[in-house]
Amino acid sequence: GAGVSQSPSNKVTEKGKDVELRCDPISGHTALYWYRQSLGQGLEFLIYFQGNSAPDKSGLPSDRFSAERTGGSVSTLTIQRTQQEDSAVYLCASSLGQLYNEQFFGPGTRLTVL
Amino acid sequence: DQQVKQNSPSLSVQEGRISILNCDYTNSMFDYFLWYKKYPAEGPTFLISISSIKDKNEDGRFTVFLNKSAKHLSLHIVPSQPGDSAVYFCAAKPSGAGSYQLTFGKGTKLSVIP
Repeated sequence: GAGVSQSPSNKVTEKGKDVELRCDPISGHTALYWYRQSLGQGLEFLIYFQGNSAPDKSGLPSDRFSAERTGGSVSTLTIQRTQQEDSAVYLCASSLGQLYNEQFFGPGTRLTVL
Repeated sequence: DQQVKQNSPSLSVQEGRISILNCDYTNSMFDYFLWYKKYPAEGPTFLISISSIKDKNEDGRFTVFLNKSAKHLSLHIVPSQPGDSAVYFCAAKPSGAGSYQLTFGKGTKLSVIP
């Protein structure tokens, strides 16, 4: 079956603009995660969705970041008023559920803020 | 404060020899550990994992060792192959609250020389 897909693969934007990044998880996976990887760093947890429960937003770095998950499937990560320090690869992952340890990652969106 | 540390940013190994990638952690609440492999422009892919109740897990050429008292784990690849050249991330997750949240190290870039 299809893996986790993300779009766009690359996004270049100007400082101050808003961007939307999309994630399509593996069908049937109830858990969805967003991470980001800045240059030379490990993956940093951003937000977690599990079914219809309230998301865990504890990793979002500022209130310019938000995410939603519609219908328990596709998720959108929105960054408002982008800053240069937002430049990173944004990775989405999904898993069968919270109790399942393995997370399956998408290819990521490389965001460059000029 | 990094809770998962991979102190070697890079490692070069001759084809056919053993590759040993190391990872240290500080959070005693971590009870499950995973290794991910990442090729350029792709998302991380799960490689192997180990629960804290074990000290060794083997899967083909890949073996993970866990030393809980030292808060140290290592990934052994034997024999190393050129296709193993990638960035390897160590990740850990806690038991209890937030148990879905993976904490990643910064990665070790492995180069296997033919």
